Amino acid sequence: AQSVAQPEDQVNVAEGNPLTVKCTYSVSGNPYLFWYVQYPNRGLQFLLKYITGDNLVKGSYGFEAEFNKSQTSFHLKKPSALVSDSALYFCAVRRYQKVTFGTGTKLQVIP
Amino acid sequence: GAVVSQHPSRVICKSGTSVKIECRSLDFQATTMFWYRQFPKKSLMLMATSNEGSKATYEQGVEKDKFLINHASLTLSTLTVTSAHPEDSSFYICSAKGRVNTEAFFGQGTRLTVV
Repeated sequence: AQSVAQPEDQVNVAEGNPLTVKCTYSVSGNPYLFWYVQYPNRGLQFLLKYITGDNLVKGSYGFEAEFNKSQTSFHLKKPSALVSDSALYFCAVRRYQKVTFGTGTKLQVIP
Repeated sequence: GAVVSQHPSRVICKSGTSVKIECRSLDFQATTMFWYRQFPKKSLMLMATSNEGSKATYEQGVEKDKFLINHASLTLSTLTVTSAHPEDSSFYICSAKGRVNTEAFFGQGTRLTVV
């Protein structure tokens, strides 16, 4: 069985400050890891993915994520938060065809 | 990235009626499509996985006779909520993946309200 944990329901950060949204996973074998963002009443938008290679993955809108195999983590980061980054963020793991999502973390960037 | 279009974005139906939601991949062939239901408090629940030309695989606890999924072509999957009840009111999201894609692309979601 595979699982994803996003331990924080909500993360608040001041505009201009760095942000981190945490994600840990559990899966057998090599994981495919993803981050998605959701704005109100919209579907999910793909941000970035880790398949193999460099542990630091760069994605859309200045986001990046660091894959840490020993800690089974894939935290999402951004050096300087924008108010427009306020949204719901989902971490996901894929093994074969099955995609499992975390419960989501609401990011609130305070002006 | 690839585009997945979901229609309608909002629908209101009467209790006891059926409603169909379409999910189309616009610029790639979707060999696999997924249907999710998103509850308040945001958790995303996988309902079923469908491969083109074959029957959908439903997750445990999802009634296959109530949530009919058809994936008849490489660009279209439909979810029909039959005999809808108010408790079926929710946000339904589809996603699609092609043979060469490692990630799935999502539709915009459908807000279903059963009155």
